[in-house]
Amino acid sequence: KQEVTQIPAALSVPEGENLVLNCSFTDSAIYNLQWFRQDPGKGLTSLLLIQSSQREQTSGRLNASLDKSSGRSTLYIAASQPGDSATYLCAPNSNSGYALNFGKGTSLLVTP
Amino acid sequence: GAGVSQSPSNKVTEKGKDVELRCDPISGHTALYWYRQSLGQGLEFLIYFQGNSAPDKSGLPSDRFSAERTGGSVSTLTIQRTQQEDSAVYLCASSLVGGRGEQYFGPGTRLTVT
Repeated sequence: KQEVTQIPAALSVPEGENLVLNCSFTDSAIYNLQWFRQDPGKGLTSLLLIQSSQREQTSGRLNASLDKSSGRSTLYIAASQPGDSATYLCAPNSNSGYALNFGKGTSLLVTP
Repeated sequence: GAGVSQSPSNKVTEKGKDVELRCDPISGHTALYWYRQSLGQGLEFLIYFQGNSAPDKSGLPSDRFSAERTGGSVSTLTIQRTQQEDSAVYLCASSLVGGRGEQYFGPGTRLTVT
């Protein structure tokens, strides 16, 4: 069973800082990996999808990297803003199934 | 275009009652998923539909849970004889490419069993 760990569990930074969220997973046989953000009381918003053959994927101030062989992904957020405050979830899609396996997330607070 | 929609947004029910939760996927998406998010538990997979294939029910926690998808579009998740431990947010997602595409989530249904 795929186990997903996200570190740190919570993070508070001042506006403007660059930050890195870490995700590790136990089964490296994945098809792709998605990063989501979840605002309180809301559903999940897809941020980036990175295929297993890719090393990086970028969208605006967000950059996700994937090292499949070591079971790691990172989400880099540049020039953080208060609107980035949310919970960030990492979800690999294992080759053995079609469901996403979720970590417990990193709760990010960006202070003005 | 329209995203994934779910109804109701909130549902409060008494223990032992049956409930039905509805999901409308993005038009044209062939794959549909149900997940559950419980306090402190994280998101867990419940069931997956792909086109007209038999659904993958491997995540359903008990036989009180069932789901159907009519006409390859709208899906209903039914929980019979609800228990307090069923209280959670039920999230639906859809993807264009079955099983391997980017998943788009609805806003969820918050179920509270009293």
